Amino acid sequence: ETGVTQTPRHLVMGMTNKKSLKCEQHLGHNAMYWYKQSAKKPLELMFVYSLEERVENNSVPSRFSPECPNSSHLFLHLHTLQPEDSALYLCASSQDTRYTEAFFGQGTRLTVV
Amino acid sequence: SQQGEEDPQALSIQEGENATMNCSYKTSINNLQWYRQNSGRGLVHLILIRSNEREKHSGRLRVTLDTSKKSSSLLITASRAADTASYFCATDTPQGEGGSEKLVFGKGTKLTVNP
Repeated sequence: ETGVTQTPRHLVMGMTNKKSLKCEQHLGHNAMYWYKQSAKKPLELMFVYSLEERVENNSVPSRFSPECPNSSHLFLHLHTLQPEDSALYLCASSQDTRYTEAFFGQGTRLTVV
Repeated sequence: SQQGEEDPQALSIQEGENATMNCSYKTSINNLQWYRQNSGRGLVHLILIRSNEREKHSGRLRVTLDTSKKSSSLLITASRAADTASYFCATDTPQGEGGSEKLVFGKGTKLTVNP
């Protein structure tokens, strides 16, 4: 248990659906991240939030929309996804963006059908 | 963009043997970290080595860093079946070089320890 909780653990959605992934940490960290992990590809950084402000957006398609309402919660809103978006989505947090150690959640396994 | 590159991509050993994984990177770094991931789960931080350090130990783990060669190695001694997992290196690039500071992961080494 790392202190970072992601829900749901598994999600199957159609291409026309709208769903949201949730991440929660109560470690007192100021930075939170979304990563995408596809088979046989490196872990891809999607978004970085520091003190609830987005500081990094790695050319992610607009069908992925992050939201950070407070320093403990991070959401990833999904709409009109493609089958190639199927992957493990990992949330992480760290004390700040000057990395020391990142704490990861267990991930959400997303399947787009 | 990918920074760390682990090798080998896959490693299979017998319980009790040592496992060595290597990581090469391209730009200067603040620190280099190693993480472990069990299949389909989140990553767990193992060890961090700063750019001014050359070697670090944690239990059965030994990490070395050679900044002149831009490479690091992770040694797991006396391996156990429970060490079976994927191992990733991640580098933290100083702010201003290659963009904003961020943690960039390699593709990982898949380690199998056979009982």
